[in-house]
Amino acid sequence: QKEVEQNSGPLSVPEGAIASLNCTYSDRVSQSFFWYRQYSGKSPELIMSIYSNGDKEDGRFTAQLNKASQYVSLLIRDSQPSDSATYLCAVNTLSGSARQLTFGSGTQLTVLP
Amino acid sequence: EPEVTQTPSHQVTQMGQEVILRCVPISNHLYFYWYRQILGQKVEFLVSFYNNEISEKSEIFDDQFSVERPDGSNFTLKIRSTKLEDSAMYFCASSVSLAGRGTGELFFGEGSRLTVL
Repeated sequence: QKEVEQNSGPLSVPEGAIASLNCTYSDRVSQSFFWYRQYSGKSPELIMSIYSNGDKEDGRFTAQLNKASQYVSLLIRDSQPSDSATYLCAVNTLSGSARQLTFGSGTQLTVLP
Repeated sequence: EPEVTQTPSHQVTQMGQEVILRCVPISNHLYFYWYRQILGQKVEFLVSFYNNEISEKSEIFDDQFSVERPDGSNFTLKIRSTKLEDSAMYFCASSVSLAGRGTGELFFGEGSRLTVL
């Protein structure tokens, strides 16, 4: 079973701080990595995708990928209370002969005003 | 902005009854998916669909589940005889390319909450 692991949290940061969310994965041949945000009772919303080692920035969000360490992270700069949500790491993994998008259990982030 | 739409938003059914959940994927997307999320648990893959046939399916997607694209716009998930453990939020998603190959960014609908009594 190919796994995607995240710290469940909760992670609390003050408004304006940097929130750092981490994810590890077990499938060494995974090529595509995604961060989704999920508000309570809502559907996952795509925030970032990353495919190459290094950093990828989009506004206040930076995704970091290290394939050698099988590690992907998401940094949220200038955190806002509206960023309070569960952040899901998703990785394409091989299950049997099928490649599918496998989700971690999510990290609950609370940004304190 | 184009979006995936799902109906119904909430369905309550008796154990053993058949349920059909409906989805309209984003119009230029070619790959369609169903995921489910039991309350408090992970988002789990059920099935992917391309070119009018199932591409991949998980262990969860057993004989009581089926998918269909009955026309050019709708994509449905049928649960033949519901069990209590089928109670979950069911998400439809679509993508331009296959998830895990190339970009394959998935866009999710708002979900259909199924409650089996």
